[in-house]
Order: sequence, then structure tokens, then C-alpha cells
Amino acid sequence: NAGVTQTPKFQVLKTGQSMTLQCAQDMNHEYMSWYRQDPGMGLRLIHYSVGAGITDQGEVPNGYNVSRSTTEDFPLRLLSAAPSQTSVYFCASSYSITASGANVLTFGAGSRLTVL
Amino acid sequence: EDQVTQSPEALRLQEGESSSLNCSYTVSGLRGLFWYRQDPGKGPEFLFTLYSAGEEKEKERLKATLTKKESFLHITAPKPEDSATYLCAVNRGSTLGRLYFGRGTQLTVWP
Repeated sequence: NAGVTQTPKFQVLKTGQSMTLQCAQDMNHEYMSWYRQDPGMGLRLIHYSVGAGITDQGEVPNGYNVSRSTTEDFPLRLLSAAPSQTSVYFCASSYSITASGANVLTFGAGSRLTVL
Repeated sequence: EDQVTQSPEALRLQEGESSSLNCSYTVSGLRGLFWYRQDPGKGPEFLFTLYSAGEEKEKERLKATLTKKESFLHITAPKPEDSATYLCAVNRGSTLGRLYFGRGTQLTVWP
């Protein structure tokens, strides 16, 4: 049981390049999400998914795309990288959204992205 | 505007010196307050969930409490291995699944 696996751990891009951050979970979790973490700021939600085929925007979605074709995978795509997207990205999953709306997230180890 | 504010930003304690971290929130329709621990270079790790004012939860040297406006994470007789960044997050019922995080408190416990 690997939990939430993110790849790559480190990536350097040039402005304008595109890439995909991979996220996979083996816990059969319905809910998956992507956060970015910047110095001096809290974790901010980029996109999330409540199940296969369903995605929605978070607080800072611009410049990112997601899709959810399977329960296990939730890739994050940067279409045209910008220096402002330099950050540490975390994927997180949860078994479900409870009736109260609260859910406990399991986080991956993070992917550190630098855009030059 | 909804906000989650953590204080202090950084805290240095000597081993055995108890203290508290604060998380104040201004959200409507709170549906859970979460505490996470984050070690350098790693993802956050879940500690506690609190749902209603007056609720308390404990785990080893940590105790989390919740009022209508804030939560406290009490650390009793800390050890150097408790050094980490502690994150607070809230969930609003109107936006299921979204957690709003504070900036965290960086705790250092020296021997």
C-alpha cells in the first residue's frame, strides 16, 4: 500500500514549456486534489475531483488543467509554464466527502517545480 | 472574506517547555477544523479533526481544542522530534471537499 505517489519529485522547466505532474493513489479514494505551497503562504487549492470524470476548480486554477479518467490517477498539466508557477505541488486524496462535508486528506511527498 | 490565521509564525521551545499554538478562523458554516504536521521536504500528515466548540482530542504530547472562533494545539513537555511546521485548515460546508489552510507555525524544540 503505497498511499499517494507523486512524480517527478523535482523538475526544472523553461518559460513556455509544458509538462504533467503525475499523481496516483492505491487506496480507492474517491476524492483527489492538487495544492501548491509557496513560502509564507498557506497551501492553496488548484483543482479537485470528487470521482472519475468529475473535476472542479479551486482557488488558483489559472494555468493548470486536470482530468480524472480513473479513480487512481489525477494528473496536473501545466500548459505553458511561467515563473509564477515555481512552487511545491502536493497531491492529496480522501476516501470520500462525508455528510458533514469534512474529509481527512492523505498527502503525497510533493513535487518541487522551478520555472526559469 | 474567510480567513485562517495561525500564530505565532515561529516558536522556539526548550525541551520540556509546554506551550500552545493558535489558529483563529472566520468562516461561515464551519464543517471541520483540521491540524496537520509537516516535516521539511515532506507532505502534511494528519493529526486531528475537530467539529464542534468544546471538542478536544489528544495524541501523545499534543492536545487540540476548539472554540467558536479559534483552535489551540497544546504541546506538553515537547521533545526535539516534535519540531515541525503545524498547519491548521478549515472546511466549509458550502464548498464540500475544500480545505482552507493557514500559513502554519514553525516549531523548533531544542534539547
